[in-house]
Amino acid sequence: DQQVKQNSPSLSVQEGRISILNCDYTNSMFDYFLWYKKYPAEGPTFLISISSIKDKNEDGRFTVFLNKSAKHLSLHIVPSQPGDSAVYFCAGGGYGGSQGNLIFGKGTKLSVKP
Amino acid sequence: NAGVTQTPKFRILKIGQSMTLQCTQDMNHNYMYWYRQDPGMGLKLIYYSVGAGITDKGEVPNGYNVSRSTTEDFPLRLELAAPSQTSVYFCASAGGRLTEAFFGQGTRLTVV
Repeated sequence: DQQVKQNSPSLSVQEGRISILNCDYTNSMFDYFLWYKKYPAEGPTFLISISSIKDKNEDGRFTVFLNKSAKHLSLHIVPSQPGDSAVYFCAGGGYGGSQGNLIFGKGTKLSVKP
Repeated sequence: NAGVTQTPKFRILKIGQSMTLQCTQDMNHNYMYWYRQDPGMGLKLIYYSVGAGITDKGEVPNGYNVSRSTTEDFPLRLELAAPSQTSVYFCASAGGRLTEAFFGQGTRLTVV
């Protein structure tokens, strides 16, 4: 059973427009959420996080929104740039016996076209 | 500026062989993780640790073992390699909850 779901395997956006990546989760015990970006043949790199007690966190061009009642979060990238083309992973964490669990979704491949 | 270092980068194993994937971090992080990524799939958590001497199973622990005798090192052991363990393995570390996890470059393992 997938605890973190990214239902769109891919997304294509024009440079300068907004990219919206979506993520749903089933585990209400998640304490925080993170977004990661991954290029081929590299490890994922951290983008932005949000605590479950907040509904929005912003960092430059990246904003994450959390809707706890819907168990949904989204990552907004504005404006999108060709260098943003990568696979984006959503992750939920902070539950479990030692509260160190960090569960990832399958990822969404973003392509930003010039 | 080493961060998280994984060795080896590539390995081919025969069915039934065993090996240890090494992971070390120099950031004094308490949290460490092992993930595997199969083609077209996300990252699946194998094991994690919240400090030296403490380890917990993740989503897909079968066929693997870990230990955490020091803060820096978190080796992953495959005892009897199977083709289903062909994957890219990532190690990560984090300072704690709600903090970003830093990933290594990955180990590409093929079991034939």
